[in-house]
Amino acid sequence: NAGVTQTPKFQVLKTGQSMTLQCAQDMNHEYMSWYRQDPGMGLRLIHYSVGAGITDQGEVPNGYNVSRSTTEDFPLRLLSAAPSQTSVYFCASQPTRPGADTQYFGPGTRLTVL
Amino acid sequence: GEDVEQSLFLSVREGDSSVINCTYTDSSSTYLYWYKQEPGAGLQLLTYIFSNMDMKQDQRLTVLLNKKDKHLSLRIADTQTGDSAIYFCAESITGNTGKLIFGQGTTLQVKP
Repeated sequence: NAGVTQTPKFQVLKTGQSMTLQCAQDMNHEYMSWYRQDPGMGLRLIHYSVGAGITDQGEVPNGYNVSRSTTEDFPLRLLSAAPSQTSVYFCASQPTRPGADTQYFGPGTRLTVL
Repeated sequence: GEDVEQSLFLSVREGDSSVINCTYTDSSSTYLYWYKQEPGAGLQLLTYIFSNMDMKQDQRLTVLLNKKDKHLSLRIADTQTGDSAIYFCAESITGNTGKLIFGQGTTLQVKP
């Protein structure tokens, strides 16, 4: 198993550009989520999905869209990038909603918006 | 609202014990977690404790939970230089599908 994979690892955007951060898992996990990590603020939940076709907002959803057409993939879209979206983005997956099951994190995407 | 607080930095000498502390506000938390993040990497789950437990031990790691004070701690015995990393405390909220609240992270520096 490859686990949770994220692409790209690094990305630089100009303000107003759009892009999609990719996340995939090959463990048949139902639950997937996106976090952003900023210095001194820990991880904050952007969006999450409890299964294919079902998504919901987390703590900081503004400026981001998600969809979950398959169990494996959970892309995060930035429609019009802003400097405030400069951050490290982590995708995670888990067999069920958070509990005793391990939540697996991807390696992260470091995004800079100029 | 929900909030998780940690001190930002801890420095210890190799071989000493490290104690990383965390406080949380939501009394309905079901599980509390400790994650480790090494430079440039994602988060790795170290251990977790169910909210009806007081203590959990796993090799060099001991987790203590004081529900009355809403205080969680992670003790690392015989700390090694390889333990240098950022440690995050997190809680899951009862009845809220999929939401984890993370603390700001504690940077552990282990001096040889």
